Amino acid sequence: GAGVSQSPSNKVTEKGKDVELRCDPISGHTALYWYRQSLGQGLEFLIYFQGNSAPDKSGLPSDRFSAERTGGSVSTLTIQRTQQEDSAVYLCASSRFGGPNMNTEAFFGQGTRLTVV
Amino acid sequence: KQEVTQIPAALSVPEGENLVLNCSFTDSAIYNLQWFRQDPGKGLTSLLLIQSSQREQTSGRLNASLDKSSGRSTLYIAASQPGDSATYLCAANTGFQKLVFGTGTRLLVSP
Repeated sequence: GAGVSQSPSNKVTEKGKDVELRCDPISGHTALYWYRQSLGQGLEFLIYFQGNSAPDKSGLPSDRFSAERTGGSVSTLTIQRTQQEDSAVYLCASSRFGGPNMNTEAFFGQGTRLTVV
Repeated sequence: KQEVTQIPAALSVPEGENLVLNCSFTDSAIYNLQWFRQDPGKGLTSLLLIQSSQREQTSGRLNASLDKSSGRSTLYIAASQPGDSATYLCAANTGFQKLVFGTGTRLLVSP
């Protein structure tokens, strides 16, 4: 696609429910990242996928959060038993390459605004 | 742990002014530094990427500089326009594409 696509753009869910957020990266990009932006907070790294390597999950805030990337393309971020503090904008980005010492530009999607009520 | 700070937090200028946004980072071992703009309710738009071996990058009215030894980057916007109003974010790439973001500078350019 022309850019990183995320769906849904907005999601309102009840506390305790599970949600799935989808990211479709730029075609041909091997690296994919998820970030979270909470109200009044900066951007927080969540998880990073690079090709077929094991993902870097070091930013996931709790075991209620998980993500997968199927076929090296589309990624889904799942939040189980949502809590009100999970309310934020979840941003996905992709870059052509990844790994250290690879000077590549990250392109972000428009984000999914999650509201837990 | 890398920490990125942006000053000022907010800036309001009349149209036509040249302005400088500042970004500082605590760990100089970065691979690159990227500047983004974010419009309200929108995602991030990449503006400039400066590699660790570079001193500056230019795109139109934007010029970004990087001084790794002092842990600083600046974004210079020439002849500002109301359409430049947005939040500007800098992000340091610490390796494995873990971008560490600053908290941003909210810019308002009035006609």
